[in-house]
Amino acid sequence: KAGVTQTPRYLIKTRGQQVTLSCSPISGHRSVSWYQQTPGQGLQFLFEYFSETQRNKGNFPGRFSGRQFSNSRSEMNVSTLELGDSALYLCASSSATGVETQYFGPGTRLLVL
Amino acid sequence: EDQVTQSPEALRLQEGESSSLNCSYTVSGLRGLFWYRQDPGKGPEFLFTLYSAGEEKEKERLKATLTKKESFLHITAPKPEDSATYLCAVQARGAQKLVFGQGTRLTINP
Repeated sequence: KAGVTQTPRYLIKTRGQQVTLSCSPISGHRSVSWYQQTPGQGLQFLFEYFSETQRNKGNFPGRFSGRQFSNSRSEMNVSTLELGDSALYLCASSSATGVETQYFGPGTRLLVL
Repeated sequence: EDQVTQSPEALRLQEGESSSLNCSYTVSGLRGLFWYRQDPGKGPEFLFTLYSAGEEKEKERLKATLTKKESFLHITAPKPEDSATYLCAVQARGAQKLVFGQGTRLTINP
């Protein structure tokens, strides 16, 4: 079974721009969660989508948003980029039928200049 | 607030030298505790899920155990390829999000 895929793998943007990241979950998985990883804060939960609906949201500003499509693929968007948004953005999928393991993709490395 | 603390932050061992990594947690009702391995520049790779105190799971040179307040990842006779950052995370009942510790950076010298 193919794993979680994320595109693009690397991205360089400047302050004030916006960015869209994409995630394709493992086939059959309907839940997609997004995390931000930085050296200072570690892995922090952004939000989770299930059946095209946001079910859970972390403590991030409204500049961070996402959506999920009917095929479970998900995108996250960051508007008005700030230097502090530079991070590894990780997507994880699970079947979400109980205590299900979240499987992570390789991440998208975002650098904001 | 759910919280996870891992120790030590970094650990350097000789090949074959066994040791343990600690994960202390506070959570409002544990749904599951997860161990992941992360190599530089890659996403976390799943290792184990533990559900209740007293549970143990093994995979090759790794063994994870769980009590009501902490989990241990025991590494027996490690090899250089075991070098990585090991992450511990908890999931509370009724929640989907994982709360992660800061990780333990493990280096195995040949």
